[in-house]
Amino acid sequence: NAGVTQTPKFQVLKTGQSMTLQCAQDMNHNSMYWYRQDPGMGLRLIYYSASEGTTDKGEVPNGYNVSRLNKREFSLRLESAAPSQTSVYFCASTPTRPAYEQYFGPGTRLTVT
Amino acid sequence: DQQVKQNSPSLSVQEGRISILNCDYTNSMFDYFLWYKKYPAEGPTFLISISSIKDKNEDGRFTVFLNKSAKHLSLHIVPSQPGDSAVYFCAAKSSFGNEKLTFGTGTRLTIIP
Repeated sequence: NAGVTQTPKFQVLKTGQSMTLQCAQDMNHNSMYWYRQDPGMGLRLIYYSASEGTTDKGEVPNGYNVSRLNKREFSLRLESAAPSQTSVYFCASTPTRPAYEQYFGPGTRLTVT
Repeated sequence: DQQVKQNSPSLSVQEGRISILNCDYTNSMFDYFLWYKKYPAEGPTFLISISSIKDKNEDGRFTVFLNKSAKHLSLHIVPSQPGDSAVYFCAAKSSFGNEKLTFGTGTRLTIIP
């Protein structure tokens, strides 16, 4: 039981390049989330998916797209990376109610030059 | 607009003493609160939570107190141990709506041996 896994762990991109961050969970959770963590800003929600086939914008969705491929997998895509997207990205999942605790992956550290 | 605020970016406490981390919120619709702990290069891990129908929840060395009238919660760790050195995030959610959590900016706790 691996929990929430993320790939890659580290990535360096040049401005304008694209990439997809992968996330998978093996806990049969319905809801999945993508956050970014920046110094002094805490964790900010980019997109979330309440169930397979649905996605919704969070607090900072601009410049990102997501795909909920199936119940296990939720990917985050940067179509044209910008230096402002340099951050640590975390994927999380949560089971159905009444449990509200989110389980986080180890993170992807992305640098855009 | 920061709806969940952790006004102390850092805190240092002697080993064996009590650590008190504070969190304030502005949204009166929040009715469930969580604390997460984060070590460097790892994802946040759930620590303890409290529903708004309670004013205290205890789990071993960790106790969370909620003061609804002041829109304030605190996490007490006693006795503090070196392994407690980490960044602590407070988070909140509302039952009215989706599963989204709103996070504070975090407090870095350092336990001094």
